[in-house]
Amino acid sequence: EPEVTQTPSHQVTQMGQEVILRCVPISNHLYFYWYRQILGQKVEFLVSFYNNEISEKSEIFDDQFSVERPDGSNFTLKIRSTKLEDSAMYFCASTRTSGSQETQYFGPGTRLLVL
Amino acid sequence: GENVEQHPSTLSVQEGDSAVIKCTYSDSASNYFPWYKQELGKGPQLIIDIRSNVGEKKDQRIAVTLNKTAKHFSLHITETQPEDSAVYFCAASRSNYQLIWGAGTKLIIKP
Repeated sequence: EPEVTQTPSHQVTQMGQEVILRCVPISNHLYFYWYRQILGQKVEFLVSFYNNEISEKSEIFDDQFSVERPDGSNFTLKIRSTKLEDSAMYFCASTRTSGSQETQYFGPGTRLLVL
Repeated sequence: GENVEQHPSTLSVQEGDSAVIKCTYSDSASNYFPWYKQELGKGPQLIIDIRSNVGEKKDQRIAVTLNKTAKHFSLHITETQPEDSAVYFCAASRSNYQLIWGAGTKLIIKP
């Protein structure tokens, strides 16, 4: 069964450093998402992406964040200058079409720890 | 904006018994309500979902009910098994695609 994959599974970084989290969505999916989950808190929407453009973003997704689809398979989330409060689990998801009722398939997540 | 409340935060049931998790949502325009199961160290996995034109949906031991008037929906797991132990999340979505999540319920199945 096709699945979303994410690398790395864990990332430790120093405050102020840049990190890039990578995702490979399901191959025939066209819509991509990033969510984060701070330990013990709700999963929060960050951004959705289609056709090489951001479709929607939340208030969390400020200028420190960017997303990119550098090639036909990868979807990346970059945090330019990490802060302590960026420590969280980051999940990538994808859907086949744009319908609001389309199932979002999630990757296993990247656990980011900012020291 | 949309807010999703989920209860209880922890649920402990005896193996073989039923478990019920409840969620309420605030945005009456929400029309899609998925439930995700998250096991330790893994991403959320969809287990069942319901759309706003349906009041109930069942898949083997799992069922979801939706009451649009009251703006609440529930997950029912019957004949619980040890492998059902996990954190369960409800979510709601309207036409802008982003999922708004509940806080999660840790389900513990006691042998």
